Amino acid sequence: QVQLVESGGGVVQPGRSLRLSCAASGFTLSRFGIHWVRQAPGKGLEWVAVMSYDGSSKYYADSVQGRFTISRDNSKNTLYLEMSSLRPEDTAVYYCAKDLGSYPIFDFWGQGTLVIVSS
Amino acid sequence: EIVMTQSPTTLSVSPGERVTLSCRASQFFSSNLAWYQQKPGQAPRLLIYGASTRATGVPARFSGSGSGTEFTLTISSLQSEDFAVYYCQQYNNWPLTFGPGTKVDFK
Repeated sequence: QVQLVESGGGVVQPGRSLRLSCAASGFTLSRFGIHWVRQAPGKGLEWVAVMSYDGSSKYYADSVQGRFTISRDNSKNTLYLEMSSLRPEDTAVYYCAKDLGSYPIFDFWGQGTLVIVSS
Repeated sequence: EIVMTQSPTTLSVSPGERVTLSCRASQFFSSNLAWYQQKPGQAPRLLIYGASTRATGVPARFSGSGSGTEFTLTISSLQSEDFAVYYCQQYNNWPLTFGPGTKVDFK
């Protein structure tokens, strides 16, 4: 059974860093593109970043380019999102989502982890 | 960046009604469009991809159509479990972008 479990969220001060984790089970992360999608409180969905199935490609939204880094540990079947220089507008629930493999369409999602950037 | 817009923002309907939601793209593309359903406190759920292909397990009352810049999600007979927010997403270009959503609530 496919499952994605995010962790690492919390309250952090502006300018600080935080690392989110996305642990996968029921499938092998390195066979699919895995994305981060966020949702600010009461707002819509915003795609954040992706790592391709083979790890050769990484794409980021302009809003996080240069501040967020996506990485993966195949031995742990876990994806990470390293977030630095955090801003209040980064406050959101962060979801990791698996894509279909052939297209960046999100067929399985985690339950999300809440990040609050506040002083 | 392809900007996605959705209309209406909110739709108040009764169970059993036919519902049509619209999604418009700022640039032309063929059919690289998906629809998601999100209920309060839950992660989104994939409904439709390729503009018209239902995802696994999605009831037949959900259908998608359109191409180019105009896309539609239709729920043929709204059920109580369908009250939710619906988002469209284009995957034709990077960055991937979502529409702002349409909330379907109870009349």
